[in-house]
Formats: sequence, C-alpha cells, structure tokens
Amino acid sequence: DTAVSQTPKYLVTQMGNDKSIKCEQNLGHDTMYWYKQDSKKFLKIMFSYNNKELIINETVPNRFSPKSPDKAHLNLHINSLELGDSAVYFCASSRQGRNQPQHFGDGTRLSIL
Amino acid sequence: TQLLEQSPQFLSIQEGENLTVYCNSSSVFSSLQWYRQEPGEGPVLLVTVVTGGEVKKLKRLTFQFGDARKDSSLHITAAQPGDTGLYLCAVYGGSQGNLIFGKGTKLSVKP
Repeated sequence: DTAVSQTPKYLVTQMGNDKSIKCEQNLGHDTMYWYKQDSKKFLKIMFSYNNKELIINETVPNRFSPKSPDKAHLNLHINSLELGDSAVYFCASSRQGRNQPQHFGDGTRLSIL
Repeated sequence: TQLLEQSPQFLSIQEGENLTVYCNSSSVFSSLQWYRQEPGEGPVLLVTVVTGGEVKKLKRLTFQFGDARKDSSLHITAAQPGDTGLYLCAVYGGSQGNLIFGKGTKLSVKP
C-alpha cells in the first residue's frame, strides 16, 4: 500500500495557467508538508500543515496556496504559473514533534512551457 | 550560506569499492537524519543518529554522528549498483524548526 501518494506524477502546462497537485497519506500522521526540489536537486520546505492548520510558511510566492480538506490530505494550488516554477514538488508526512522521520511521495514533475 | 555542507557532490565508483560521504556544519544538532533518493522517487529515510559519537549500521552502510554533534559520515562497504542514488543529510533547525536538507551526494556505482 502506498503510504504517501501524490497526483499527477507529471504536469506540463503553459505559463499563466492555474494548476493543482493532490497529496494523500494513509499513515495516520498529523503533519504534512510540501517541498520543492530544483534542477540541482536542492530540496526545500515550502509549507507544512498540522491538524489542518498552517504552521510553517516559508517565503514562497502567494501564488502558491496549500489546502487541507482533512488530516490525510494536503493539496497544493498554484496560480499564474511562471517559468521558474518548473521543478519537482514533493509531498511528505510525519508524526507530530521534532526529530520525526518524514515519509515522502514520489514527486510531481512540473514543467512550464 | 548552507547550514549543511555535503561532500563530495558527485561520486562515481566501481562495484565492490568502499566509499565515505560527509555532512558537515558549524552548528550543533540534537539529531541528524540520512535519506536516500532514487531517480523518479522521493527521499527515503535510512537512519536517524541522536547521540554524539554514535555509530549505526544498516547492512553495508555505517553511519557516524560526530562527537560534537556537528557532522556525520556515511560509509558504504563493497558498493553495489543498487546503492546508486542521491544521499541527503537533514536536520531540524532554522527559525521555524523545518527539516533542512543538504544539497546531497550523487552516487553512481557501476557494475
């Protein structure tokens, strides 16, 4: 059974469009995250949600908005896509608290034309 | 400035060789995690080290946390093609307690 699943795996779209990436975890974790991995493989936190409340919001453009309908889901909506948004986006989840291991999905490769 | 410096950035070796990769910082951490990421997949946790000087073994992989809890190393004995991947170290830190990753070591083991 897939622990953290995200869809779609690939997303190719035009500049200026709006798109969403979905994420679901079946691990019963309280905290979910979105990361961005750039072309040089640098992985950086974007958001995290704990019990449906945003607890970390790094300095990402407000075109990116996370939405959590329930504890098992954290979707990422992106408005007015730009060329620089091209990257691989990873969803992850963990138990609440520091030093917990995080479980990652397989990523969504977003390509902006 | 990167919180975690990983070296080498790239490593290409033949099957059967031994190797060590490093994760260094000037900061002290309560724990440090190592992840491996294979192409087309997300990072997968290998180990968490929490005690200064701690050594943990996972089959052919040996992880060590520095005595001062500022650095860590990963040693692989008799590398196999299946060890190929991006090795990432990570710590919880920063002003918001995020999980912060190093830039990784990309390992390629050729048969």
